[in-house]
Amino acid sequence: DIQMTQSPSSLSASVGDRVTITCRASQSISSYLNWYQQTPGKAPKLLIYTASSLQSAVPPRFSGSGSGTDFTLTISSLQPEDFATYYCQQSSSAPWTFGQGTKVEIK
Amino acid sequence: QVQLVQSGAEVKKPGSSVKVSCKASGGTFNSYDFNWVRQAPGKGLEWMGGIIPIFGTTNYAQKFQGRVTITADESTSTAYMELSSLRSEDTAVYYCARLLRQLGGSFDIWGQGTLVSVSS
Repeated sequence: DIQMTQSPSSLSASVGDRVTITCRASQSISSYLNWYQQTPGKAPKLLIYTASSLQSAVPPRFSGSGSGTDFTLTISSLQPEDFATYYCQQSSSAPWTFGQGTKVEIK
Repeated sequence: QVQLVQSGAEVKKPGSSVKVSCKASGGTFNSYDFNWVRQAPGKGLEWMGGIIPIFGTTNYAQKFQGRVTITADESTSTAYMELSSLRSEDTAVYYCARLLRQLGGSFDIWGQGTLVSVSS
């Protein structure tokens, strides 16, 4: 199985800050990396697919980059609605696996 | 616009089974790849398995092999996930999600989740 490791596990930031979350795969997954946002009590929401493609209706302050084993999710200017937990997920080979999550909290 | 609506919360005894449903509206049911992902309280996301109704093919995570059965009923556009031999560690929110190959195999649409509580 491909292991996905996110860092940090949590972070505190202020509205307007630039935030970067990293995700590392245990082996190369090309660009088969997706990012999700989850708020408490809600289902995850797809933000980014294939490492850098923005899902429809997702604000452009979200961006993704990377290939191979190292990936990043960047929020260019954090908004109040962005305080949530973010997960990466590889779709290179089954079983599909997720990172452990990064919780973005208000400073 | 495809929507996935899941069945309601369940309370089960250890050793029993649970069957959760996921009804799709909009789109072409048979062509989709429906998957199940669970989330234990305060924990991360864990993929359990999936089904492509048009082919009738299923794919399960090794961890759940022998305990999980995923099926689909084309006539009602509903996918099901049955988990047997329940234990307390199976207490979780269970989500159905559509895997879309055109979006790199990402899960683009999710159901609202079904809480399954296992307790004696």
